[in-house]
Amino acid sequence: DQQVKQNSPSLSVQEGRISILNCDYTNSMFDYFLWYKKYPAEGPTFLISISSIKDKNEDGRFTVFLNKSAKHLSLHIVPSQPGDSAVYFCAASVPPSNTGKLIFGQGTTLQVKP
Amino acid sequence: DVKVTQSSRYLVKRTGEKVFLECVQDMDHENMFWYRQDPGLGLRLIYFSYDVKMKEKGDIPEGYSVSREKKERFSLILESASTNQTSMYLCASGHAESETQYFGPGTRLLVL
Repeated sequence: DQQVKQNSPSLSVQEGRISILNCDYTNSMFDYFLWYKKYPAEGPTFLISISSIKDKNEDGRFTVFLNKSAKHLSLHIVPSQPGDSAVYFCAASVPPSNTGKLIFGQGTTLQVKP
Repeated sequence: DVKVTQSSRYLVKRTGEKVFLECVQDMDHENMFWYRQDPGLGLRLIYFSYDVKMKEKGDIPEGYSVSREKKERFSLILESASTNQTSMYLCASGHAESETQYFGPGTRLLVL
């Protein structure tokens, strides 16, 4: 049973436009969410996170929105750049937080066209 | 900078062989993790450890074991490799009470 779902396997956007990547979760006990970015032949790197006490967190071109009632989060990239082309994974932290255990979604491959 | 290193980038093994994947981190992290990444399935947790000699099963532990004799090193062992264990294996580490994990570059394992 997939507790964290990314229903879009791929997304293609034009350079300069907004990229919106979506993620849904089923467990209301999740209280912290993260986005990771992965290039081919490299390990994932941490991008941005959000606690369940917030509904928005922004870092430069990247903003994550959390809708707890809908159990939905999204990552917005504005403006998108060709270097943003990668696989993006959302992840949810599994309580208790001292284990650091995460559950990842399936990933969405973003292609940003010049 | 956090550094997580994995012993091999690519491995080719035969069915039935015993396979060792090594992971070392240099940031004194308490928590260490092993995942496998497969197309359409994302990252799935195999095992994790929150202290030396401690281990916990993840979501897909069957066919795998782990060893953590030192804080900086976490080994994944395939006791008898099978073709369905062909995958990308990713090691990660993180501080206790921190959700952020830092990943190694991955080992692509092919079992023939």
